[in-house]
Amino acid sequence: AQSVTQLDSHVSVSEGTPVLLRCNYSSSYSPSLFWYVQHPNKGLQLLLKYTSAATLVKGINGFEAEFKKSETSFHLTKPSAHMSDAAEYFCVVSRSSASKIIFGSGTRLSIRP
Amino acid sequence: ETGVTQTPRHLVMGMTNKKSLKCEQHLGHNAMYWYKQSAKKPLELMFVYNFKEQTENNSVPSRFSPECPNSSHLFLHLHTLQPEDSALYLCASGQGLSGNTIYFGEGSWLTVV
Repeated sequence: AQSVTQLDSHVSVSEGTPVLLRCNYSSSYSPSLFWYVQHPNKGLQLLLKYTSAATLVKGINGFEAEFKKSETSFHLTKPSAHMSDAAEYFCVVSRSSASKIIFGSGTRLSIRP
Repeated sequence: ETGVTQTPRHLVMGMTNKKSLKCEQHLGHNAMYWYKQSAKKPLELMFVYNFKEQTENNSVPSRFSPECPNSSHLFLHLHTLQPEDSALYLCASGQGLSGNTIYFGEGSWLTVV
């Protein structure tokens, strides 16, 4: 069985400071892992994707995520937050079929000026 | 421009109305999806089509009726909805069903009055 847990429902950081959004997954097989971002009143946009080619994945807008099999984690990071990063972020695990695309409950990122 | 276009972006309908949501993808994908996003709830998969054939129906009430005339177009026909059906309805497309990236439209905001 697959599952994904986003450990924080809300994260607030100051502009210019690092961002860490945590995601843990459970999967019986090697999963594909994704991070999506949803800005207010918008659809979901793909930030980055892991598919076993490299454990450190770089995405758009300066975000990156590291796949750690031993910790079953796929945390999203960014060295320096920008006001435009304020949004909802979803961690997703996927394998083999559409019914196995599992979305996390989301983490709302707020940026303080 | 995400390559997945949804219309209308906003819809208000009465409980006895019949309306439809439309989705079109310009990415050459063969799989299309309907998701429902309600406030404070995880994203819910509703339907999946692969090469125009429905492959997933996630126990969706019959007042929601999908239609996929070809791999590029997907409709969601709405009839006698309830106020609790008010939500953001997201369409997505992907190339195949096996752990590949799916791309979302901007969504259709539905309010049932």
